Amino acid sequence: GQNIDQPTEMTATEGAIVQINCTYQTSGFNGLFWYQQHAGEAPTFLSYNVLDGLEEKGRFSSFLSRSKGYSYLLLKELQMKDSASYLCAVRDRESNYQLIWGAGTKLIIKP
Amino acid sequence: GAVVSQHPSWVICKSGTSVKIECRSLDFQATTMFWYRQFPKQSLMLMATSNEGSKATYEQGVEKDKFLINHASLTLSTLTVTSAHPEDSSFYICSAREWDASNQPQHFGDGTRLSIL
Repeated sequence: GQNIDQPTEMTATEGAIVQINCTYQTSGFNGLFWYQQHAGEAPTFLSYNVLDGLEEKGRFSSFLSRSKGYSYLLLKELQMKDSASYLCAVRDRESNYQLIWGAGTKLIIKP
Repeated sequence: GAVVSQHPSWVICKSGTSVKIECRSLDFQATTMFWYRQFPKQSLMLMATSNEGSKATYEQGVEKDKFLINHASLTLSTLTVTSAHPEDSSFYICSAREWDASNQPQHFGDGTRLSIL
């Protein structure tokens, strides 16, 4: 079956680094996406991984290991505006390329 | 970058009213659009997949006669909530994907907050 797991909530300090993990099980893996969603707003695209390794984009980096069914989103130099939910989603080739969504990780940044 | 426009942003109406929500891809052609619903503090729930020129594919448990989807062009999909009731109050979000699905993310509209009194 299909399953995406990520922690429900994490807390970090302004200026620090935080890693949000995501594990997945899917039969037709075709890429993994990270989205950011502020409360009351729609998700915005952060990163995409389809091959193993690290993708860096400014303060945000995303890592993928397909053999382990594992990804993480790394946020550096945390700012208060980074307080949001971070959604891990896996595209499934066998579901017409739909995204299978995790429940999201609520990240709380403290001063 | 790819922009998806969703309208209206807020709707407050009486029970029994039908509400239409529009989703437009502004600078790309979207053969596939997705409609999601999100209740407070819960994750996105896919309602249906809308394909241009064909019938929408609804997820299990979603009533197709209540949530009417029309995808008449490559840049526009509409969701009509027919005879809405208070339990239909939610945050509805559309997303669109360009024709080549190989490495393109879904781009989201800003969402529509629907409140049925």
